Formats: sequence, structure tokens, C-alpha cells
Amino acid sequence: GEDVEQSLFLSVREGDSSVINCTYTDSSSTYLYWYKQEPGAGLQLLTYIFSNMDMKQDQRLTVLLNKKDKHLSLRIADTQTGDSAIYFCAATDAYGGATNKLIFGTGTLLAVQP
Amino acid sequence: DAGVIQSPRHEVTEMGQEVTLRCKPISGHNSLFWYRQTMMRGLELLIYFNNNVPIDDSGMPEDRFSAKMPNASFSTLKIQPSEPRDSAVYFCASSATGVGTDTQYFGPGTRLTVL
Repeated sequence: GEDVEQSLFLSVREGDSSVINCTYTDSSSTYLYWYKQEPGAGLQLLTYIFSNMDMKQDQRLTVLLNKKDKHLSLRIADTQTGDSAIYFCAATDAYGGATNKLIFGTGTLLAVQP
Repeated sequence: DAGVIQSPRHEVTEMGQEVTLRCKPISGHNSLFWYRQTMMRGLELLIYFNNNVPIDDSGMPEDRFSAKMPNASFSTLKIQPSEPRDSAVYFCASSATGVGTDTQYFGPGTRLTVL
């Protein structure tokens, strides 16, 4: 089945760009997602990318997908202290059958220094 | 839309007691997921339902855990008897499977502490 991996921690200064990386194993995943979790809250969908795309931009967020290397990244431009959170990468599980079972990575803690 | 609703938000109980967590999915969604999040194990999928039918419960830790979905607007996760190692944040999520991106929407979670 699908396996998703992320680095655990990233520290950046306010105003810099942040790049959070993710690798996955199953090339047949249809969608790949980025979720954000703030302290004490649930996971909030940030953005997603369809597997036949290689880039998607949404305001300060840019998602890059390299299908050959099974590598997904999330770039946050002009990072703000409010972006401090845990970011989860997730991929649809091709073995999930009729239901979109997601496989989540361990999450990357983004710490933004003022 | 109110989003996914979970109750209670916080639960403190003593070892051996029964605990029931509740979830109301987004109206119109046909899939419901229960997750558990801990520092040690991260985010784990416990069980998921499609059209109120349990599809995969392989993530349920042991027989002390059970989940039901009696109708499209309500689900429960029950732990009986509870143990300290069950302390975690439990999330419910729902999605409209087969429609667009099948995105899962999460509730705010129930923080369970078993003493």
C-alpha cells in the first residue's frame, strides 16, 4: 500500500519562503493533498493537486509534483508567523476501493521566527 | 454549512470507564472516517464507513474499540473499558466520495484523557 514520508521540522524567518517536502510510494494515487493543523485544532485542507498536474498555485501557496520521483512539495511565499503549524501531506490510497482512503505523512512542524 | 461536528471536545475519565465519542458529518457526505492522533504514532486511521457501512476497520486497535453509524448524520466511537494508553485526540472526517476530489473535511477533534 501507499506510504507517505515527510521531514519532521522546518524553521524559517518571517518573510522568507518555506518549502515542505513529501515523498510517496504509489504512483497510482489520484490526488495529493496538503493539510494544515494549528495547535488544538483539526486538520484544515490547504490545497490539493491532481496527479496529472505538475504545478498548482493558490495565492502564497505553490504545489509542485514530480511524478517520476514521487515527490510533492509545498512552497509558502512570504511566510508569516500565522503560518506556524503542522503541515500534513496525504495521498489517495489506490487500494482504498470505492472510498477515498487517505494515507497521511507524519507531518512537518513549521516554526516561523519573527 | 456547520462543518463536521464532534462532541464532546474534551473528555476526562478514569481507567475502566466507558467512553463514547460522537460525530455529525457534513450533510450530503457519504463517507465518514475516524482517526486517532498521538505524539508517538501520529495520525492513524481507525475505521471508515461508506453509505453507513463499515468498509475497513483494520486500524481499530483492539476489541475494546467499536464504531457505529446508524444513519447518514451520526456516528459513534466507543471505548470500553478505557485505558490510559487510549489518551489521544480523536478526529472524525467526512467526504463526498465519488464527487470531485473526494476531499476529507475534519472536525475539531475530541481530546480524551484516561487517568
